[in-house]
Amino acid sequence: TQLLEQSPQFLSIQEGENLTVYCNSSSVFSSLQWYRQEPGEGPVLLVTVVTGGEVKKLKRLTFQFGDARKDSSLHITAAQPGDTGLYLCAGDGGGSNYKLTFGKGTLLTVNP
Amino acid sequence: SAVISQKPSRDICQRGTSLTIQCQVDSQVTMMFWYRQQPGQSLTLIATANQGSEATYESGFVIDKFPISRPNLTFSTLTVSNLSPEDSSIYLCSVATYEQYFGPGTRLTVT
Repeated sequence: TQLLEQSPQFLSIQEGENLTVYCNSSSVFSSLQWYRQEPGEGPVLLVTVVTGGEVKKLKRLTFQFGDARKDSSLHITAAQPGDTGLYLCAGDGGGSNYKLTFGKGTLLTVNP
Repeated sequence: SAVISQKPSRDICQRGTSLTIQCQVDSQVTMMFWYRQQPGQSLTLIATANQGSEATYESGFVIDKFPISRPNLTFSTLTVSNLSPEDSSIYLCSVATYEQYFGPGTRLTVT
């Protein structure tokens, strides 16, 4: 069974601060996806990382996939209240079944 | 990407009854999934629903409790049967193309 450990579970910061969320596993994933979920909504895909060592940037968000494709991180620069939400990482173990393993999520609150 | 809608968006049901949730996609997709998200928790996969075949259930989920239909490539239903308060959750459908996209979810409260 593939497991994804996500940390921290809760994060409350002030507007303008930086933060990093971590997603770790002992298993190798063919790809890893990051989602943000707001209350009353389904998860919205932010990014997919596929290649070991890959770095992707989405405005103030930087996503990194570990060299061994077992871990990933999400770094937010100068957080804003609009960044508030539940951040979920999800790993694809490969194959044709597209089944994802989800981390437990990081609930981020950015206070104005 | 894919645009996914779910009905109902929320419902309050009595213990012992059933609720059927509909999932509609704006394009034809082979693979659809049903997830459960219990309060304050992450997502747990219930089953994979492929058109033209029986749904494949994950460990801990059974067809009698969560029957699924997949009549065509754009639609699926999930029924949660014999409801108990422990079934109070958000139920989400998703589709997989190259990536996975989620519907807005159905919030079920069982009283």
